[in-house]
Amino acid sequence: GNSVTQMEGPVTLSEEAFLTINCTYTATGYPSLFWYVQYPGEGLQLLLKATKADDKGSNKGFEATYRKETTSFHLEKGSVQVSDSAVYFCALMPSGGSYIPTFGRGTSLIVHP
Amino acid sequence: DGGITQSPKYLFRKEGQNVTLSCEQNLNHDAMYWYRQDPGQGLRLIYYSQIVNDFQKGDIAEGYSVSREKKESFPLTVTSAQKNPTAFYLCASSPDRVGTGELFFGEGSRLTVL
Repeated sequence: GNSVTQMEGPVTLSEEAFLTINCTYTATGYPSLFWYVQYPGEGLQLLLKATKADDKGSNKGFEATYRKETTSFHLEKGSVQVSDSAVYFCALMPSGGSYIPTFGRGTSLIVHP
Repeated sequence: DGGITQSPKYLFRKEGQNVTLSCEQNLNHDAMYWYRQDPGQGLRLIYYSQIVNDFQKGDIAEGYSVSREKKESFPLTVTSAQKNPTAFYLCASSPDRVGTGELFFGEGSRLTVL
């Protein structure tokens, strides 16, 4: 079956530090890949997405590249802010007509001033 | 504005009571989903529906029931058979057959059993 593996958290950084949250996946075919963000007490919001190999998704300074050869979709940001503190979820939507997404367990990010 | 509305945001229940969580969307999406979120456990799929009058069990359907009588509505009932119902519940929708499969989430409903 499909699976998504994220690095364990919490990730604790100082403001303006570089962020990487690792995400690898297992799926057949060519899934679409997503990063969602969840702020405390709220639902998830789409942060960025990529639909085919080598695509780069980007939004609000965050980036992730769809790497088919390493089955990865790592999230990066060059300079984090306190307001980026949240839980980040990596997810895939399989190709081939099964519209059941698979989510990672989430990675908590804490940014200190 | 288009979006997904969940209600109530907070709900308290006594043991042995059924409760129903509302989820309404005006995005004209075909697919709708219910997830349960517990601290540190990510999202677990309870039920999903890809078309009106049809729905499928997810990974943790026991103790829950749903209906999909209208495209825009997908209510979740937490029954007394659910042994540990205290959790944060998230409803989501997706365009399904068009688009890339992005999910749109509601703000969530927090259920506490007293």
